[in-house]
Amino acid sequence: DIVLTQSPALAVSLGQRATISCRASQSVSISRYNLMHWYQQKPGQQPKLLIYRASNLASGIPARFSGSGSGTDFTLTINPVQADDIATYYCQQSRESPPTFGGGTKLELK
Amino acid sequence: QVQLKESGPGLVQPSETLSLTCTVSGFSLTSYSVSWVRQPSGKGPEWMGRMWYDGDTAYNSALKSRLSISRDTSKNQVFLKMNSLQTDDTGTYYCTRDNDDYFDYWGQGVMVTVSS
Repeated sequence: DIVLTQSPALAVSLGQRATISCRASQSVSISRYNLMHWYQQKPGQQPKLLIYRASNLASGIPARFSGSGSGTDFTLTINPVQADDIATYYCQQSRESPPTFGGGTKLELK
Repeated sequence: QVQLKESGPGLVQPSETLSLTCTVSGFSLTSYSVSWVRQPSGKGPEWMGRMWYDGDTAYNSALKSRLSISRDTSKNQVFLKMNSLQTDDTGTYYCTRDNDDYFDYWGQGVMVTVSS
């Protein structure tokens, strides 16, 4: 299985930029498709799709969220961070079955 | 609008079988696949398996021997059955709509505790 590694936590100040990284144990890109997706999860709620295929904003997601990366290294950026963004963020790959998720990065206020 | 809702028992005895139902609305089970994803408390999600739009199934090899997914398209429902439950099967179980290779809609989840 492809293992996705995320830092457990990131502290950020409101109004600043947050950069959350995800590293895959092998490439999750096929030609021009980068098969990495990002989700936000708040306590007691289900995960919510933010970014699909590395850089595409899901429907209804604010433009302060963006994604980038290819191969094994991917980044979710939130700029500027708002209070409503305090949550845990997960990456997920679909390059190989089974689809796997990272362990999550908890975004905290500094 | 697209909705998914899980239902089933919140408490299961060790070695018993878990049965969950996912009832969907706002889309057709013959046009979209549905996956089951579980999440232990404080950990990342784990994909369990999928009911493809064409009726085929796919399972996580780690669970394949214990897991069965089926559906009733007339009732817009997808079912999960997993046997021989142990305490490390405790967690929240979600059904999701698959949009190609990502999960674009999630149910609210059902908390399952395996305990005697």
